[in-house]
Amino acid sequence: DGGITQSPKYLFRKEGQNVTLSCEQNLNHDAMYWYRQDPGQGLRLIYYSQIVNDFQKGDIAEGYSVSREKKESFPLTVTSAQKNPTAFYLCASSATGPHGQQYFGPGTRLTVT
Amino acid sequence: GDSVTQMEGPVTLSEEAFLTINCTYTATGYPSLFWYVQYPGEGLQLLLKATKADDKGSNKGFEATYRKETTSFHLEKGSVQVSDSAVYFCALTITGNQFYFGTGTSLTVIP
Repeated sequence: DGGITQSPKYLFRKEGQNVTLSCEQNLNHDAMYWYRQDPGQGLRLIYYSQIVNDFQKGDIAEGYSVSREKKESFPLTVTSAQKNPTAFYLCASSATGPHGQQYFGPGTRLTVT
Repeated sequence: GDSVTQMEGPVTLSEEAFLTINCTYTATGYPSLFWYVQYPGEGLQLLLKATKADDKGSNKGFEATYRKETTSFHLEKGSVQVSDSAVYFCALTITGNQFYFGTGTSLTVIP
């Protein structure tokens, strides 16, 4: 079955540590996205990538980094510079074209203490 | 700029009640419009979509009509069930590369 996988489902880290969240898709989509969701809040765009080896900052990129070395993979690193990293992180992908919808992974809940 | 405004929640309804969640949009071009649903602790799932004016998207008893004249895409369901309890997001895209989401509306259906 085609889809997006995110791992792990739950992640715990100590303050000051970098942590990398995995996102893989087998939908053959060119575009991939990372969103952050805080309790009771909507989605905020962190980074997006429209093609391999290229990515753009979203609305809240500070303290985060990404890479896009392969079409199917778009890992997100939450660095120690991110002041409030505890949140629910969602990865998504979409095909190119004006009517394409986004497909979402199941999310990773990161807790930093 | 492009944006989506949706009805503030939370919304609490009794089972079999009629549901409306309002969504209006601002767009510089001709958007495609979407409703997504998010169950607790999960990612978003596409509920329905419409790609041009007057299109009606429908799925699982939910409907929404793309109204260009009122720039709206309100979500409706005639008879909600407990299993419909979730957070609903309205969204749009112009290019298919960037997507704009509303803040979400939490729905709780009580038996």
